[in-house]
Amino acid sequence: AQKITQTQPGMFVQEKEAVTLDCTYDTSDPSYGLFWYKQPSSGEMIFLIYQGSYDQQNATEGRYSLNFQKARKSANLVISASQLGDSAMYFCAMREGLGSGGYNKLIFGAGTRLAVHP
Amino acid sequence: NAGVMQNPRHLVRRRGQEARLRCSPMKGHSHVYWYRQLPEEGLKFMVYLQKENIIDESGMPKERFSAEFPKEGPSILRIQQVVRGDSAAYFCASSLDTVSQPQHFGDGTRLSIL
Repeated sequence: AQKITQTQPGMFVQEKEAVTLDCTYDTSDPSYGLFWYKQPSSGEMIFLIYQGSYDQQNATEGRYSLNFQKARKSANLVISASQLGDSAMYFCAMREGLGSGGYNKLIFGAGTRLAVHP
Repeated sequence: NAGVMQNPRHLVRRRGQEARLRCSPMKGHSHVYWYRQLPEEGLKFMVYLQKENIIDESGMPKERFSAEFPKEGPSILRIQQVVRGDSAAYFCASSLDTVSQPQHFGDGTRLSIL
């Protein structure tokens, strides 16, 4: 079974509008972390935002916010006021076993390619 | 630049040769991870190391691949007798500890096998 599912291979958004990128996850571990990374065409991986499973509030970082719905096991990324420079691949990732200090590897989804149009 | 440093950025090898990929973690980070990315796919975990120790190598092929993170110097991912299927982007990441810190990635090494 897929641990991280990103159902949108590609998304389009008009400049200055908001866009939501979907991510659902599957884990039986009560302690986990969710991450979003951006990969522009130049190829580097840029950390955007983090949500811990015990965090009471949704994470926000500037124009990025994470719509965390624990019961639905979803962690959607919301980008407000899209800019042309937001065009990139976006990856959702999960790390399990945080409470025990156990496995630290990230499990990535397949990614969503976002295109921002002027 | 205090980020994760990977070199080379691009590496071309012929089938049967060896590939050595280097990674210097961010200053103060003692946890290093290697991931592989095939075209149009997400990153796949390969190996997790702390200084001088391999903690988790569950994602690394049993043959031809090895990794190390010596007490002094960068972490090395070594691929012996490369084959066409090894062509991919290899990313190294480091983190401060194993709890809530994000992993910070290097720019990756694009390995091409002729």
